[in-house]
Amino acid sequence: NAGVTQTPKFQVLKTGQSMTLQCAQDMNHEYMSWYRQDPGMGLRLIHYSVGAGITDQGEVPNGYNVSRSTTEDFPLRLLSAAPSQTSVYFCASSYSGGTVNFYGYTFGSGTRLTVV
Amino acid sequence: AQSVAQPEDQVNVAEGNPLTVKCTYSVSGNPYLFWYVQYPNRGLQFLLKYITGDNLVKGSYGFEAEFNKSQTSFHLKKPSALVSDSALYFCAVRGDNYGQNFVFGPGTRLSVLP
Repeated sequence: NAGVTQTPKFQVLKTGQSMTLQCAQDMNHEYMSWYRQDPGMGLRLIHYSVGAGITDQGEVPNGYNVSRSTTEDFPLRLLSAAPSQTSVYFCASSYSGGTVNFYGYTFGSGTRLTVV
Repeated sequence: AQSVAQPEDQVNVAEGNPLTVKCTYSVSGNPYLFWYVQYPNRGLQFLLKYITGDNLVKGSYGFEAEFNKSQTSFHLKKPSALVSDSALYFCAVRGDNYGQNFVFGPGTRLSVLP
């Protein structure tokens, strides 16, 4: 039972390069999301999805794209990397929570991205 | 709009002493409140939650939290701190309307000194 798997764990990009951060979950969770973590700012929502084929923007979506072609996978694409995108990125998933059985998010272990 | 405040960037406590990590929130509707812990170079791990029921909730590793609706607070507590409790703690909230995403606080770094 792997939970939420993120790859790669570390990445260094040059300004202007593009890349895709991978996220996969094996818990059949409907909801998936991407957050970035910056010192003193907590976690900020980039994009989220409530099911296959459905995505929406979060608080800080600029410079990022997502797609959700399957329930399991939710990749995050950086179109043209900028130094401001240097951060730690977390993928999270959950059941669509509307009941007392909602246990919140399961997080991946993160991807540490540096843009130089 | 939803928001979470954790007024202390850093909390220092001696091993064996009680600890409190503070959280206040603002949300539309009834709150779903969570505490997560993050150890170095790891993802966030679930500690405990309040959705409904008893205002005092107990979670993993001996932690507990008290929901106070009038003060819109959800402080994390532990009666006797361990050095291994040293980590970054995040409070998170969402409203009970389906579709609202969680908002996370900025985090509080807890250091338990031997």
